[in-house]
Order: sequence, then C-alpha cells, then structure tokens
Amino acid sequence: DGGITQSPKYLFRKEGQNVTLSCEQNLNHDAMYWYRQDPGQGLRLIYYSQIVNDFQKGDIAEGYSVSREKKESFPLTVTSAQKNPTAFYLCASIQTPRKARTGELFFGEGSRLTVL
Amino acid sequence: AQSVTQLDSHVSVSEGTPVLLRCNYSSSYSPSLFWYVQHPNKGLQLLLKYTSAATLVKGINGFEAEFKKSETSFHLTKPSAHMSDAAEYFCVVSPSYTGTASKLTFGTGTRLQVTL
Repeated sequence: DGGITQSPKYLFRKEGQNVTLSCEQNLNHDAMYWYRQDPGQGLRLIYYSQIVNDFQKGDIAEGYSVSREKKESFPLTVTSAQKNPTAFYLCASIQTPRKARTGELFFGEGSRLTVL
Repeated sequence: AQSVTQLDSHVSVSEGTPVLLRCNYSSSYSPSLFWYVQHPNKGLQLLLKYTSAATLVKGINGFEAEFKKSETSFHLTKPSAHMSDAAEYFCVVSPSYTGTASKLTFGTGTRLQVTL
C-alpha cells in the first residue's frame, strides 16, 4: 500500500541535542511538507519541498533544517536552536500540478518529540 | 490574505444524533475548502473538499459540508453520529489554483466527543 512512513513515533531528547525525524513516501509525490502541531492550535508549516534538491521555509522554520536528496525522503532535523521543540510533528505530501486546484494532502502518522 | 475560524473547540453529541461542526472562512480569492479528521496520535485524513463545483459536498463516512459564499461558511454535518466519529476535525482554506499546499491555513480544530 502506498503511504507516508514517519519514524520514530515517539522520541525523547535532552536539551541541547539535535534530533532527526524521518519521513519516507512511496506515493511518487513531488511535494512534501513538515508541520508542527501543538495542543489547541492548527497545523503550522515548518518547511516544504516541491522538487528534489529544493526546499522552502514555511511559517516557523527557525531552529529546524531539512534536506531533499531523494524524491521519497524528506527528513527534518530539530536543532538545539529550537526554543520549544516539544510537539507533534507531521509529514505530508501532495501531487498536484502547479496550476491546478490544490489537491489532497496525505499525512504520515506523526512523530511525538518530547524534550526532557 | 485568508483565515479560518472553527467556532467550537469542543462538541459533544450522543450516538445516533446529528453532528454539526462550524467553520467560517475569510479569503481574498475564490477559495478551496477542506475538512480533515485526526484520530488520537494519528495523521490527518481528508474527509471532503470544495473546489467550486457543487456547493454541497459529500465526503467519506457519511459526512457532508455546504459551501455558503454569502455567509462565508463551510459547516460539516452528519445525520447520525457513530462512536467511531470521535476525533479532532480541522477546517482548512486555500487559495484556488495554487497547486501547492504551502498556502493552506488550518483552523484550530474541533474535538468531537460521541457519548452512548
């Protein structure tokens, strides 16, 4: 079955440590996204990539970094510069031509990061 | 500019009774509108979307929503709630014809509780 796989599902980190969250998709989608979800808030966009070897900052990119070396993979690194990293992180992908109406986002099951 | 307001953070219904989750939007452009559902510690799943075809949109699991331009609303309804409908629901707005999810704006979510 096609889908998006995020790992790990739960992660604990000490302050000052970087951590990398994995996101892999086998949907053959061009565009991939990272969102952060906090209780009582909507999803906020961290980074997105519309094509391999290219990515753009979203609304809350500070303290995060990404890479897009392969179409299938879009890992997110939460760096020690992120002041409040405890959150639920969601990876998503979409396959919509640029001038088409926005299509359906497909989401992974998320990674919950807790900073101790 | 665009925004979305989910009018209730929490809705509780009895099993077998109707569900109404309210969403108002604001958009400078002709919008696309979506409802997503999220079960605990899971990713989001698309319920339905409006992209300027029929104003009454039918989705999965018996949900439907009506786009009312005059009221700038896109309320989600279901005639009869089931226990499995208990989840968080997000209303999402996007400018049409973007082909990208980078311009999506998520509401803050409505938690639906279904009681026996």
